[in-house]
Amino acid sequence: EDQVTQSPEALRLQEGESSSLNCSYTVSGLRGLFWYRQDPGKGPEFLFTLYSAGEEKEKERLKATLTKKESFLHITAPKPEDSATYLCAGFFYNQGGKLIFGQGTELSVKP
Amino acid sequence: DAGVTQSPTHLIKTRGQHVTLRCSPISGHKSVSWYQQVLGQGPQFIFQYYEKEERGRGNFPDRFSARQFPNYSSELNVNALLLGDSALYLCASTIGGLNTEAFFGQGTRLTVV
Repeated sequence: EDQVTQSPEALRLQEGESSSLNCSYTVSGLRGLFWYRQDPGKGPEFLFTLYSAGEEKEKERLKATLTKKESFLHITAPKPEDSATYLCAGFFYNQGGKLIFGQGTELSVKP
Repeated sequence: DAGVTQSPTHLIKTRGQHVTLRCSPISGHKSVSWYQQVLGQGPQFIFQYYEKEERGRGNFPDRFSARQFPNYSSELNVNALLLGDSALYLCASTIGGLNTEAFFGQGTRLTVV
């Protein structure tokens, strides 16, 4: 069964303290991996799509990378407004258009 | 440009009732997917529709049904509501049937009492 697992479940950082979030997935059949940001009570906001091992994408203080078995979301010098839940989701060759989400990492950045 | 729009934003229903949730995809997008998100968990796939045909179904009971209209908007119907159906229901829009980039609406918060 295709699975996506995120760690840690929660992360507390001080403003400016860089860190990384992890997303691991079952190795076989990954077509692509998405990262989303979700604020409380709102829908997920699209951040990145990664397709190939070694691929990297950046947006402001965020950089997403993909290896053959996991993805990382690096947050450089975070600010309080980066506080949110970050979700990763995989879509797999044998799952059609279905996204399989991890449980999310709740990030809190304190000033 | 209008993003994915969902209605209503909030809804309170009683156990046993029926509910209909609505979604309008981004203009030009032909696929709509529905997800259920329980507090503290990631979204769970319910249905995908592409060109008005069901293309995928998640592990949800037959009380859940959906359809897509000629204008690509979609409805999610849930019959015989249970307390456990309380969740944020999300609609995602993609250009085609296989995900390139999926964009989500703001969700409908359903509370069953």
